[in-house]
Amino acid sequence: EPEVTQTPSHQVTQMGQEVILRCVPISNHLYFYWYRQILGQKVEFLVSFYNNEISEKSEIFDDQFSVERPDGSNFTLKIRSTKLEDSAMYFCASSPDSYRQTQYFGPGTRLLVL
Amino acid sequence: QKEVEQNSGPLSVPEGAIASLNCTYSDRVSQSFFWYRQYSGKSPELIMSIYSNGDKEDGRFTAQLNKASQYVSLLIRDSQPSDSATYLCAGGGSGGGADGLTFGKGTHLIIQP
Repeated sequence: EPEVTQTPSHQVTQMGQEVILRCVPISNHLYFYWYRQILGQKVEFLVSFYNNEISEKSEIFDDQFSVERPDGSNFTLKIRSTKLEDSAMYFCASSPDSYRQTQYFGPGTRLLVL
Repeated sequence: QKEVEQNSGPLSVPEGAIASLNCTYSDRVSQSFFWYRQYSGKSPELIMSIYSNGDKEDGRFTAQLNKASQYVSLLIRDSQPSDSATYLCAGGGSGGGADGLTFGKGTHLIIQP
């Protein structure tokens, strides 16, 4: 069964450094998403992406964040200058359609900012 | 502001019994609802989706939606120890596929052998 994949599984970085989190959505899916989950808290929506552009973003997704689909398979989240509070699990998700909004999540990248 | 509310638990249920999980939502959340299961340290795994009033059954799971009461529930029949996890209720946005899901904090379910 097709799955969303994410790399790396864990990333440790120093405050102020740039990180890029990578995702490969399910191949025939059209909508892509990034979420984050701070330890012990709820899953929070960051951004959605469709047809090579951002469709919606939350208040969390400020100028420090950017997303890109550099080729036909990868979907990336870049954090330009990491802060301590960016430490979280970051999940990529994808959805095949626009109506049902059924989203399938990848295994996540655990980001630790020191 | 979209809101999805869940009782955080823990909810403790004996093995073989029915586990009942509940969720309420604000009227700004769309009419698409999802139940995800999340094991500790893992990603959310989709269990059920429901879009219209009434019940939807899939194996041991039944989702129920009551739009008038803004209430969604999940029943797990014949609960197994492997069902022990955090169950996340999520609502889709009103804008269709481009919208992110709004999650509740989750209910921690413990199935006692």
